Amino acid sequence: RKEVEQDPGPFNVPEGATVAFNCTYSNSASQSFFWYRQDCRKEPKLLMSVYSSGNEDGRFTAQLNRASQYISLLIRDSKLSDSATYLCVVMDSNYQLIWGAGTKLIIKP
Amino acid sequence: ETGVTQSPTHLIKTRGQQVTLRCSSQSGHNTVSWYQQALGQGPQFIFQYYREEENGRGNFPPRFSGLQFPNYSSELNVNALELDDSALYLCASSGGKGLASNEQFFGPGTRLTVL
Repeated sequence: RKEVEQDPGPFNVPEGATVAFNCTYSNSASQSFFWYRQDCRKEPKLLMSVYSSGNEDGRFTAQLNRASQYISLLIRDSKLSDSATYLCVVMDSNYQLIWGAGTKLIIKP
Repeated sequence: ETGVTQSPTHLIKTRGQQVTLRCSSQSGHNTVSWYQQALGQGPQFIFQYYREEENGRGNFPPRFSGLQFPNYSSELNVNALELDDSALYLCASSGGKGLASNEQFFGPGTRLTVL
């Protein structure tokens, strides 16, 4: 079993739709959680950290459920520019980042 | 722009050769992490350097080695290249060991092709 698992994708959704990404992690000692965005042939960029209380940044909402070891990312009113690969990332007890394989999102006009 | 630079941007090598990749960290950052990202996969942690010392290593063989210099720039060396080493190699810098290093800033990567 992979340490961080994500929906395999790709997700093809129309512009304006709401998209939900799911992620599970296996190490209950994991400390911090993040969503990164990676455009094609570019480096990953931090989208948002994920907190137990849930957090929102504009159209983006992240949730963490430590009991279920589950992380989610919701994108509302999706834009063409949201097309990218979304990577779920977990920091382990050694402060090292463990990455999911990513879910590719394609927003269609 | 993150201020993290990597060189070269692209590289083609043949099996058995050796390669050195370079990374300059963001000003004020003392921690550098290296990742390998194969096509269609997430980055895999290779190792991390904090103040010139290795601070953790992922599941990579000894032919992957690294170095960090007093100015906190870093090198990744790979000996006896194999076809499966073809990947995007990412360097990320952060502000310190432990929780202070929560956010890592990535360079643009070096795309290595092994023929």
